[in-house]
Amino acid sequence: RKEVEQDPGPFNVPEGATVAFNCTYSNSASQSFFWYRQDCRKEPKLLMSVYSSGNEDGRFTAQLNRASQYISLLIRDSKLSDSATYLCVVNIGSNYQLIWGAGTKLIIKP
Amino acid sequence: GAVVSQHPSWVICKSGTSVKIECRSLDFQATTMFWYRQFPKQSLMLMATSNEGSKATYEQGVEKDKFLINHASLTLSTLTVTSAHPEDSSFYICSARNLGTGSYEQYFGPGTRLTVT
Repeated sequence: RKEVEQDPGPFNVPEGATVAFNCTYSNSASQSFFWYRQDCRKEPKLLMSVYSSGNEDGRFTAQLNRASQYISLLIRDSKLSDSATYLCVVNIGSNYQLIWGAGTKLIIKP
Repeated sequence: GAVVSQHPSWVICKSGTSVKIECRSLDFQATTMFWYRQFPKQSLMLMATSNEGSKATYEQGVEKDKFLINHASLTLSTLTVTSAHPEDSSFYICSARNLGTGSYEQYFGPGTRLTVT
């Protein structure tokens, strides 16, 4: 079983729709959680950290469920520019090493 | 803030030559930098963790004699791909953790696309 699992997609979604991604992690000792986005042939960029109480940043909402060991990302009113691969990332322990999911590809269609 | 640069952004070299990639944190200090490799349509794969002033920690399956890492200062880490072969062609990305924040967040360089012919 992979340490961090994501549905690879692609998710084809019309512009303006709401889309949700889920990610599960296997290590219950995981301490920090992030969503990154990666555009084609570019480096990953931090989208948002995920806090235990859930957090929102504009159209983006992240949730963490420690009991079930999953993280979610919700994108409302999707834009064409949201098309990218979304990477779920988990930190385990104190060595600052990140464990990466394989990413979910999102395609927003006009 | 938290800008990381990489140089070169792309390089084409002949099989058997060595290529050095530089990773710099421009506006913060980084005791730890990470080197990743990404093949097309695949996830980032951590190659090694680079620690300033000490030896790098390599992930299982990554040859330390082939991928030489030097982290001589708090703002610079280098990755040298020695005797490169076509199968080493990949997207190499470094990241750095900001020493000052204590956060687990990593900031990525723009990547180096290596093509070995």
